[in-house]
Amino acid sequence: DTEVTQTPKHLVMGMTNKKSLKCEQHMGHRAMYWYKQKAKKPPELMFVYSYEKLSINESVPSRFSPECPNSSLLNLHLHALQPEDSALYLCASSFGLAGRYEQYFGPGTRLTVT
Amino acid sequence: DAKTTQPPSMDCAEGRAANLPCNHSTISGNEYVYWYRQIHSQGPQYIIHGLKNNETNEMASLIITEDRKSSTLILPHATLRDTAVYYCIVRYLATSYGKLTFGQGTILTVHP
Repeated sequence: DTEVTQTPKHLVMGMTNKKSLKCEQHMGHRAMYWYKQKAKKPPELMFVYSYEKLSINESVPSRFSPECPNSSLLNLHLHALQPEDSALYLCASSFGLAGRYEQYFGPGTRLTVT
Repeated sequence: DAKTTQPPSMDCAEGRAANLPCNHSTISGNEYVYWYRQIHSQGPQYIIHGLKNNETNEMASLIITEDRKSSTLILPHATLRDTAVYYCIVRYLATSYGKLTFGQGTILTVHP
C-alpha cells in the first residue's frame, strides 16, 4: 500500500468555524508533512513531523494547528480562518526526514473559507 | 538550496519523447536534482533524482550536464496521462530535513 489518504476531499467553512483535516498512511513512514497550494502556484511547506514530534513550522499562523496522534495519522485543525486561506491542503509522508527519501503525497483537501 | 529555472510551458506529441529542461547554475557539489510532477487535481508525484550521473527508472531518464549547471528530464514515449506540471528541485540532502521547495514548474501538455 503506497497510498496517502486525505479527508475530506472538499471543505467549505465560515470564518468562525472550527474544522479539521485528516491524513492517513499505512506505509510505516515516520515523517509526515502539510503543504498549502494556492491556485496556479506551487505547493508550500507548512509543517513537518518526525516520529510524531513537530520538527518544522514554517512560520504558519496559529489559526492552523497540526497534530500527530500516532505514526499513521496527521491532523490539521483549523480555527478562525480567513478567505485568503482558501487553498488545496496537501499531506505527504516519507520513510524518514533524510532528503534521500521520496515524499508520497495525498490528493489533497480543497478548502474554501467564506 | 539552489534556485532552478524552468520554461513555463511545453508541448509534446503523444508517443514522442518529452524533454524538459531545468537550469540550476548555482548548484553546489552536494546538491541533488529531483523531479516531481503534479497531474491536475492530484498531489505531486516523485519521478526521479540524481547527483551527477545520468539516471533512469521506469518512468523517466534524467540527464545532468557535466558541469551540473543544467539537467533534462526525458519521458521517452509521452502519453496523454503525462500532461502535468513538472517541478525540478535542487536539494542539499544533509540539511534539507525533508523540505521540498517547489519552483514554478513547467506545464507539459501532451497532444494526440
